Amino acid sequence: SAVISQKPSRDICQRGTSLTIQCQVDSQVTMMFWYRQQPGQSLTLIATANQGSEATYESGFVIDKFPISRPNLTFSTLTVSNMSPEDSSIYLCSVVEGGTDTQYFGPGTRLTVL
Amino acid sequence: GQQLNQSPQSMFIQEGEDVSMNCTSSSIFNTWLWYKQDPGEGPVLLIALYKAGELTSNGRLTAQFGITRKDSFLNISASIPSDVGIYFCAGRAAGANSKLTFGKGITLSVRP
Repeated sequence: SAVISQKPSRDICQRGTSLTIQCQVDSQVTMMFWYRQQPGQSLTLIATANQGSEATYESGFVIDKFPISRPNLTFSTLTVSNMSPEDSSIYLCSVVEGGTDTQYFGPGTRLTVL
Repeated sequence: GQQLNQSPQSMFIQEGEDVSMNCTSSSIFNTWLWYKQDPGEGPVLLIALYKAGELTSNGRLTAQFGITRKDSFLNISASIPSDVGIYFCAGRAAGANSKLTFGKGITLSVRP
């Protein structure tokens, strides 16, 4: 199975600042996604990170707030911009293994905004 | 939109007991996935199911893809303290761009 790492694992940030989260996969994958998990909640898809083109955002999420980069098939970044306390969540990178329908998640980045 | 129903929200069992969790959908899925999440960690894939009627085991865990393709269950046998966590079901409908739909999760507590 794909091994996914995320940096940072956690951070405490001041409101109004931005944080960029990195996701690295140990193999080339076609599909990469970013999810948010608010405290005590299930997972919500933010966007699909497309290699070489703009990410595809889900309803309620916009590029200005959550810019995403995906320069190659093993790496992606998610930026949480102009943060507010409501952005405090776990942010998760996820990939679908090529040739299967199996989806794996990274360890997550726990973000606290003060 | 598609929704997955997982209930109850919490389950409390005694160590050594078996437990069964169900997940139902209002629509058909082609793939069912079961995940476990420990506090502060990302979800870890437990079992993946790809065919209606499929029954798959992973150690003490067994999961089945319902014949109607609208439900799945996960059984944990002979529970141990490290089974504590949140169990999520997730389903994916047909279609190249179909996304995973998640249930709300069941928090399992195991009393020693």
